Amino acid sequence: AQSVSQHNHHVILSEAASLELGCNYSYGGTVNLFWYVQYPGQHLQLLLKYFSGDPLVKGIKGFEAEFIKSKFSFNLRKPSVQWSDTAEYFCAVNKFTGNQFYFGTGTSLTVIP
Amino acid sequence: GAVVSQHPSRVICKSGTSVKIECRSLDFQATTMFWYRQFPKKSLMLMATSNEGSKATYEQGVEKDKFLINHASLTLSTLTVTSAHPEDSSFYICSARDPGRPSYNEQFFGPGTRLTVL
Repeated sequence: AQSVSQHNHHVILSEAASLELGCNYSYGGTVNLFWYVQYPGQHLQLLLKYFSGDPLVKGIKGFEAEFIKSKFSFNLRKPSVQWSDTAEYFCAVNKFTGNQFYFGTGTSLTVIP
Repeated sequence: GAVVSQHPSRVICKSGTSVKIECRSLDFQATTMFWYRQFPKKSLMLMATSNEGSKATYEQGVEKDKFLINHASLTLSTLTVTSAHPEDSSFYICSARDPGRPSYNEQFFGPGTRLTVL
């Protein structure tokens, strides 16, 4: 079955540590890729997106992600996390020919001050 | 720009009653809106695609008669949970595409509605 996988369910880091969250998808064909963040009690917000071109995309708040087509991956990174990055992070895939988004199971990030 | 609102933000109802949730695109017209369900500590599950002026397209396993979707205007889609039961308690989120943006299917999400069925 086609799916979006996030391997890290819960990550706990100290401030200033580096972050990498994995995302893999199994859809064939051209896809658009997204990372969304959901802060406690808030709605989903777009962190970054990849449609085409440079596979390394930069988003808000110092986040970046790299699309590796051969690995069907779109991992999220941040060199130095802050306490305010504590949130749920969702990877999402949208098939280029369709409207629907399919989300991964999410990763809960806790940053300890 | 591209703001999506939902009403109500929270609703508590008795088992057996119906609940309507509204999703509005505030500053753009959305021919397509989407309804998701989010379980605690889980991801968003796409329930259905709401198409303005036509029937909604439901994902496999989602009961059409249970979750009624109406998209009567370009800025409003409604989700009605009919004969709600405690297992329908969840967080319901809508999203919309802004066709006026050249942003390759980017969706904008509403703040969600917390439904609790007693």
